[in-house]
Amino acid sequence: DVKVTQSSRYLVKRTGEKVFLECVQDMDHENMFWYRQDPGLGLRLIYFSYDVKMKEKGDIPEGYSVSREKKERFSLILESASTNQTSMYLCASSPPPNFRYSNQPQHFGDGTRLSIL
Amino acid sequence: DAKTTQPPSMDCAEGRAANLPCNHSTISGNEYVYWYRQIHSQGPQYIIHGLKNNETNEMASLIITEDRKSSTLILPHATLRDTAVYYCIVRVYNAGNMLTFGGGTRLMVKP
Repeated sequence: DVKVTQSSRYLVKRTGEKVFLECVQDMDHENMFWYRQDPGLGLRLIYFSYDVKMKEKGDIPEGYSVSREKKERFSLILESASTNQTSMYLCASSPPPNFRYSNQPQHFGDGTRLSIL
Repeated sequence: DAKTTQPPSMDCAEGRAANLPCNHSTISGNEYVYWYRQIHSQGPQYIIHGLKNNETNEMASLIITEDRKSSTLILPHATLRDTAVYYCIVRVYNAGNMLTFGGGTRLMVKP
């Protein structure tokens, strides 16, 4: 089974702090994603990466950055945390578009519930 | 991506089949139907997907109508652990693309 592991289930930080959220996948997937999930707004893509050191902005990248130094690890960074970044953060991974992987869509971690005070 | 419509909530008795409908009347020929679920306080879990043929795996069956404008996810013997929000998503298959979840159906399995 695909395993996507997020470093923390719950995290409380203060306004202005630099916050690191870590995600590791064990299936050698090229693609990794960071979403945030908020009531009434569904799932929104922050950033994604399709290879080591490669990244693309999603719908809401402002206030965030990412790092992908190794294939299995994708980090989300809140440069200066603000209260409007209180949310559930979800990491996902998937193989590239390839017929051989046609039965393996995105797989998610259990999420990090981040509170910014 | 095509828009989907799902009932906001459904109940099902434990041990019975749960049939979750999804309408996607604007689906185009190269768009797949995906189902995910999210159990409280956990990340979304992939269930099944299909293009036009019915699909079955160890978790569920997916029935897609011939005109592809609607589909039904079937959990053959629902358990209490199947209580979750179920999301139907229609999109072109590209594992590198983002997912967009709508409101989903909150399934409550009752003893």
